[in-house]
Amino acid sequence: GIQVEQSPPDLILQEGANSTLRCNFSDSVNNLQWFHQNPWGQLINLFYIPSGTKQNGRLSATTVATERYSLLYISSSQTTDSGVYFCAVGTGANNLFFGTGTRLTVIP
Amino acid sequence: AAGVIQSPRHLIKEKRETATLKCYPIPRHDTVYWYQQGPGQDPQFLISFYEKMQSDKGSIPDRFSAQQFSDYHSELNMSSLELGDSALYFCASSLTNYGYTFGSGTRLTVV
Repeated sequence: GIQVEQSPPDLILQEGANSTLRCNFSDSVNNLQWFHQNPWGQLINLFYIPSGTKQNGRLSATTVATERYSLLYISSSQTTDSGVYFCAVGTGANNLFFGTGTRLTVIP
Repeated sequence: AAGVIQSPRHLIKEKRETATLKCYPIPRHDTVYWYQQGPGQDPQFLISFYEKMQSDKGSIPDRFSAQQFSDYHSELNMSSLELGDSALYFCASSLTNYGYTFGSGTRLTVV
């Protein structure tokens, strides 16, 4: 399967700070999603972004498919942003391969 | 908007028992996926169905089976449960060329 690497593995931020999470993948994909897993275990879809740039409030994401990486930007972080952020990629109608995630802790 | 519905939310079973998890995908989504997430792990793909036919298979144990019914809901059946089967089980659905939507998951604890 496709290899997905996320960095950093852990991140601690002061409330109000900005951060960038990175996802590298080993093969061409036509599906890339960013998910936030909250402390209750729910997987929330943040972006479906196989290429290009999208923004949703304080979050934005950019995928450069030709260079096989994607970035998730979090601005003005809040304590509710804490949790694990997963990047997941796939090809065609096949299953998604998940990275090992970035665990974000935002402290007040 | 309707989401992916999973039941039950929590399940406690003893070793060697059987468990059945249910998933109701978003209406008109053509593909259903099952994932297993162990403690501190990323979700691992188990099995998927496209238009009610099995389409792909991942690291699903032989003790597990799944199917999708005529009303598009899906069930994951797990037999001879082991302690290591304790995990979060997610169902997701998608429409071809669109992103996945995950359900809230079923937390299975085997004691």
